[in-house]
Amino acid sequence: QVQLVESGGGLVKPGGSLRLSCSASGFTFPDFYMTWVRQAPGKGLEFLAYIDTSTQTTYYADFVKGRFTISRDNLKDSLYLDMNGLRVEDTAVYYCAGGRYYYYRYGMDVWGQGTTVTVSS
Amino acid sequence: EIVLTQSPGTMSLSPGERATLSCRASQSIDNNYLGWFQQKRGRAPRLLVYGASRRATGIPDRFSGSGSGTDFTLTISRLEPEDFAVYYCQQYGNSPWTFGQGTKVEIK
Repeated sequence: QVQLVESGGGLVKPGGSLRLSCSASGFTFPDFYMTWVRQAPGKGLEFLAYIDTSTQTTYYADFVKGRFTISRDNLKDSLYLDMNGLRVEDTAVYYCAGGRYYYYRYGMDVWGQGTTVTVSS
Repeated sequence: EIVLTQSPGTMSLSPGERATLSCRASQSIDNNYLGWFQQKRGRAPRLLVYGASRRATGIPDRFSGSGSGTDFTLTISRLEPEDFAVYYCQQYGNSPWTFGQGTKVEIK
């Protein structure tokens, strides 16, 4: 079935780094634009980063620009988020999510279950 | 950055009632790329509507989206017990993409 599975979350000290991975199965991954979205405890959803189907275009939320990098490997059906300079306020559940693009940007209808990142000394 | 403002913050309704959720954008959203998501506690969000008015696959027809430009609405025609949740709008037409702060639909 259609599935996204995140991994790589955990406990990290402020200023540290972490790489999140998202493995796709059950659909044609190269046909989907992909994003990372997070949710701090008790808070709403926050868009973090976007990458298009061909990896040539990326967008970032202002508050992660320069610290986080989104990338994908279409041969491995995988999405990544490299996070540097982590702050306490980056503590959240991190979701990968994507949607189909075919001359039209469909909505983000595929979501992972989330991976928890805790930034604490 | 486009700011999405959802209203109300919380709505208390009974099963069978109609729910009307609002999402207002600080500027016009390109291509009306506006989506609505439902999220239940401890679960990933679920896409309900995309492109402002297109129902996602498998979503019951009691959910409908409308609007264009800066003003958008999600309507749930008759609330079922499983519809009590938090709803988010999201714009994905202008970089950076953004979410609204959410509307909680609770049982009255």
